[in-house]
Amino acid sequence: DSGVTQTPKHLITATGQRVTLRCSPRSGDLSVYWYQQSLDQGLQFLIQYYNGEERAKGNILERFSAQQFPDLHSELNLSSLELGDSALYFCASSAIKGTEAFFGQGTRLTVV
Amino acid sequence: SQQGEEDPQALSIQEGENATMNCSYKTSINNLQWYRQNSGRGLVHLILIRSNEREKHSGRLRVTLDTSKKSSSLLITASRAADTASYFCATDAESGAGSYQLTFGKGTKLSVIP
Repeated sequence: DSGVTQTPKHLITATGQRVTLRCSPRSGDLSVYWYQQSLDQGLQFLIQYYNGEERAKGNILERFSAQQFPDLHSELNLSSLELGDSALYFCASSAIKGTEAFFGQGTRLTVV
Repeated sequence: SQQGEEDPQALSIQEGENATMNCSYKTSINNLQWYRQNSGRGLVHLILIRSNEREKHSGRLRVTLDTSKKSSSLLITASRAADTASYFCATDAESGAGSYQLTFGKGTKLSVIP
């Protein structure tokens, strides 16, 4: 158990819909990262937050947004969903810069 | 964009053999990390090597880093069937304005045949 909790584990939704993925980082970790992993692909970095502030942005679509709340949990919002958004979405957390990241078990999103 | 590129993409070996995976990257890094992922599960951190280190060991794992060639290798000795998984390298690098990113390659899929 990494200590990072992601909910829900599975999500099936229709095209055009909006969903929210939730992540609770490890206790004490201030950094939260979001990644997208499509079938047989590597992890695409989406966005990173540190103590509530956005710190780095990767290949995140304009239809996607995220935030980190004062209690350090984070949410990734995906809207106007398309079939190609079907993927595993991972959240990871780390204590400080330059240390290992701990990953949640992911949310498997299926858009039908 | 992918910072690290693992090689080979897939590797199949017999139990007891050693497995070597390589990673190349493009920009200066703070550190390089290796992770393991069992099918469809979350990634698990294996080892971190800082930019001023050349080699690091952890159990049956040995990681080398050559910053002049911007490359790293992960050696798993005496492999076991339970080592079957995908292995990813990740580079920790500055991304501007005090920010940094942990960027992953596409991974090497290792199959260890009993």
